[in-house]
Amino acid sequence: GESVGLHLPTLSVQEGDNSIINCAYSNSASDYFIWYKQESGKGPQFIIDIRSNMDKRQGQRVTVLLNKTVKHLSLQIAATQPGDSAVYFCAENHGLAWGKLQFGAGTQVVVTP
Amino acid sequence: NAGVTQTPKFRVLKTGQSMTLLCAQDMNHEYMYWYRQDPGMGLRLIHYSVGEGTTAKGEVPDGYNVSRLKKQNFLLGLESAAPSQTSVYFCASRDDWALHFGNGTRLTVT
Repeated sequence: GESVGLHLPTLSVQEGDNSIINCAYSNSASDYFIWYKQESGKGPQFIIDIRSNMDKRQGQRVTVLLNKTVKHLSLQIAATQPGDSAVYFCAENHGLAWGKLQFGAGTQVVVTP
Repeated sequence: NAGVTQTPKFRVLKTGQSMTLLCAQDMNHEYMYWYRQDPGMGLRLIHYSVGEGTTAKGEVPDGYNVSRLKKQNFLLGLESAAPSQTSVYFCASRDDWALHFGNGTRLTVT
């Protein structure tokens, strides 16, 4: 069936380096994608989103890239900081009943000094 | 502005017991959701509501019931808890752009 998944379960990054977190999706009908950050003991926190009519969107220190040809989504974090250590989820919406998002399992990002 | 508040934060139940998880939001959002999160899996939608007095089934609704009597509150009930319902439960409400999550309820069923 259709699914959203992440390539790497754990990503170790040195403080100050850039992080890239990848996500593959298989539903070509998905029209909206979101990245969430989840710190230990807390709920997911919205980071950035992108609609399917866009290829790139930038926020503060974060950039999301969407490649519809290969159904791939990535989150880039510039100058990774210790506070960026968390689990990052991608989620897709199929355009039906907004909010019924399909979430990936998550990638654990560990920032080392 | 508290956002989305879930109570309780932790609970241990014995098989067969019942309980209600409370979610409250102060953002006047119409849409509210209940998810469960299990190790190695993404968040899975249990039930959701598109407005006061309405509820609908999500991906994994069996064993759960919900009620939305007031716009700001969304209750998740377990009538007869089972060990398979051991999980972390997240409530969320939605504005125009994104889901806003609470900090979760960790439930253990023994």
